[in-house]
Amino acid sequence: NAGVTQTPKFQVLKTGQSMTLQCAQDMNHEYMSWYRQDPGMGLRLIHYSVGAGITDQGEVPNGYNVSRSTTEDFPLRLLSAAPSQTSVYFCASSYTRAGQGAGGYTFGSGTRLTVV
Amino acid sequence: AQKVTQAQTEISVVEKEDVTLDCVYETRDTTYYLFWYKQPPSGELVFLIRRNSFDEQNEISGRYSWNFQKSTSSFNFTITASQVVDSAVYFCALSGYTGTASKLTFGTGTRLQVTL
Repeated sequence: NAGVTQTPKFQVLKTGQSMTLQCAQDMNHEYMSWYRQDPGMGLRLIHYSVGAGITDQGEVPNGYNVSRSTTEDFPLRLLSAAPSQTSVYFCASSYTRAGQGAGGYTFGSGTRLTVV
Repeated sequence: AQKVTQAQTEISVVEKEDVTLDCVYETRDTTYYLFWYKQPPSGELVFLIRRNSFDEQNEISGRYSWNFQKSTSSFNFTITASQVVDSAVYFCALSGYTGTASKLTFGTGTRLQVTL
């Protein structure tokens, strides 16, 4: 099925560990982004990309790294996990950066990350 | 800077009641897009509607309707004859379309509880 695939669905990390959250889409979308969802705060943009080789920071980029070597993949790296990064992470893609394509922004099913 | 305000944190209704979820936005962009997403208890984000800033026509889709008013910067969502399956968190979101730093900004969400 076409869509956005995120892995893993759940992860527990120890403080200081690093890991990569994977995101892949098969809709040939140019725009991809990562959000974190925390209780009472909605979703906040971490990083985004308007195409392969182009990335930029969002609202809460500290502690995260991204790269976009292909149109399909947009991994999010946690460099040194901290308890403040405990959250649910969503990857999204869209045909355009403003979400004008059919279906607006398509979201993955999320990764629930706990840092202890 | 753009901002989305969903003042209603939580709403409880009895099945078959009508309910309106409020959304007020702020943006300096002349072209922008407004969205509503549904997040059921299973956690995924489901796209409901996109409206561009030049189209102030109200939209109806089954039991769902949306009222966009630029004069009051509001994009309210009404569910008619609510059902238990409508129980979810609903997010209003805004994306701009100027420059290269377009991003999708979410409100903090309204949790709707529909009971029998």
